Amino acid sequence: GQNIDQPTEMTATEGAIVQINCTYQTSGFNGLFWYQQHAGEAPTFLSYNVLDGLEEKGRFSSFLSRSKGYSYLLLKELQMKDSASYLCAVSDSGGYNKLIFGAGTRLAVHP
Amino acid sequence: DGGITQSPKYLFRKEGQNVTLSCEQNLNHDAMYWYRQDPGQGLRLIYYSQIVNDFQKGDIAEGYSVSREKKESFPLTVTSAQKNPTAFYLCASSIGFQGRNEQFFGPGTRLTVL
Repeated sequence: GQNIDQPTEMTATEGAIVQINCTYQTSGFNGLFWYQQHAGEAPTFLSYNVLDGLEEKGRFSSFLSRSKGYSYLLLKELQMKDSASYLCAVSDSGGYNKLIFGAGTRLAVHP
Repeated sequence: DGGITQSPKYLFRKEGQNVTLSCEQNLNHDAMYWYRQDPGQGLRLIYYSQIVNDFQKGDIAEGYSVSREKKESFPLTVTSAQKNPTAFYLCASSIGFQGRNEQFFGPGTRLTVL
């Protein structure tokens, strides 16, 4: 079956580093996305990984290991505005761009 | 500015009534999608459309209907057959439907059935 697992909640301190893990089991794989979603708002794109390794983009980095079905999102120099839900989504292979979403990880950043 | 708009932001409906949620995009994207988001659950796909005049059921299509008469528009109707319609509804679009095509999301419509 299709399954994506993420921790439900995490807390961290302003200025610190936090790592949000995502494990997946899907019938196909055509890449993994991370989205950020503030409460009551639209998800916004953060990163995309299709090959193994680390992708860095400013304060955010995302890592993928296809053999382990594992990804993580690393947030550095945390700011209060980073308090949001972080959604892991796998693009299933096949005829169209179907995304399978995890339930999301709600991150609370404290002063 | 290019983007996706959804209206209204909040919608209240009496039980037994059909209601239509609007989704418009000016990104010139071919593919459009409707998702439902419930607390503690991931986004679930209701319907998707790869091209004008064509659409396919997603994972939870029962009680919903869509149309795709124009490239820019993909309205969703929540019918009275949908047993638990109260949720946050998100519309999305992507350039195409293959490969690395990230989906861009609208601001969402929160539907409450009274």
